[in-house]
Amino acid sequence: EVQLVESGGGLVQPGRSLRLSCAASGFIFNDYTMYWVRQAPGKGLEWVSGIRGDSSDTAYADSVKGRFTISRDNAKNSLFLQMNSLRPEDTALYYCVRASRVAIRLFDYWGQGSLVTVSS
Amino acid sequence: EIVLTQSPGTLSLSPGERATLSCRASQSVSGNYLAWYQQKPGQAPRLLIYGASSRATGIPDRFSGSGSGTDFTLTISRLEPEDFAIYYCQQYGPPRGTFGQGTKVEI
Repeated sequence: EVQLVESGGGLVQPGRSLRLSCAASGFIFNDYTMYWVRQAPGKGLEWVSGIRGDSSDTAYADSVKGRFTISRDNAKNSLFLQMNSLRPEDTALYYCVRASRVAIRLFDYWGQGSLVTVSS
Repeated sequence: EIVLTQSPGTLSLSPGERATLSCRASQSVSGNYLAWYQQKPGQAPRLLIYGASSRATGIPDRFSGSGSGTDFTLTISRLEPEDFAIYYCQQYGPPRGTFGQGTKVEI
């Protein structure tokens, strides 16, 4: 069974940093592109960042480019999101998401999310 | 970037009724790379439909997708109580995927 479990969220002041983690199990982790997708309270879904299975390529939404860094540790079946210079508008539930083998931007499994609140 | 516009914003129906949700793209979606997700309160989204009309694993056949180019539709043939949720469309072609704003299906 595919499982994605996020951790590391919390309350942080504007301008500070936070690192999210995602523990993956139930599939061959390094075979899959992985993503972070976020959802602000009461709002829709926003793709944040993605990384290829071998870390050869990464991508970021314009809203986070230069502030967030995605990475992975295939030996530990883990995905990370380093978030720097956080802003109140980054407040959201952050989902760890697996890309389908059908297409690399099609999301077939989602974690339950980790809540990040940016407030003074 | 392709912008997806979903309509209506809210759909008020009863169990057993048919639901028709629309997703319109600002430009043609290449390869019909259009997906639909369902999100229930307090839960993560779940993939329902991909390639505009293919059901994901385990999705009941009362869910169907259709359309091509810029106009796509999700149809729920007979609403079950567990189908009341928010539905998002997503185009997953290059260079990056984008989501619609969602349609809420409520009782």
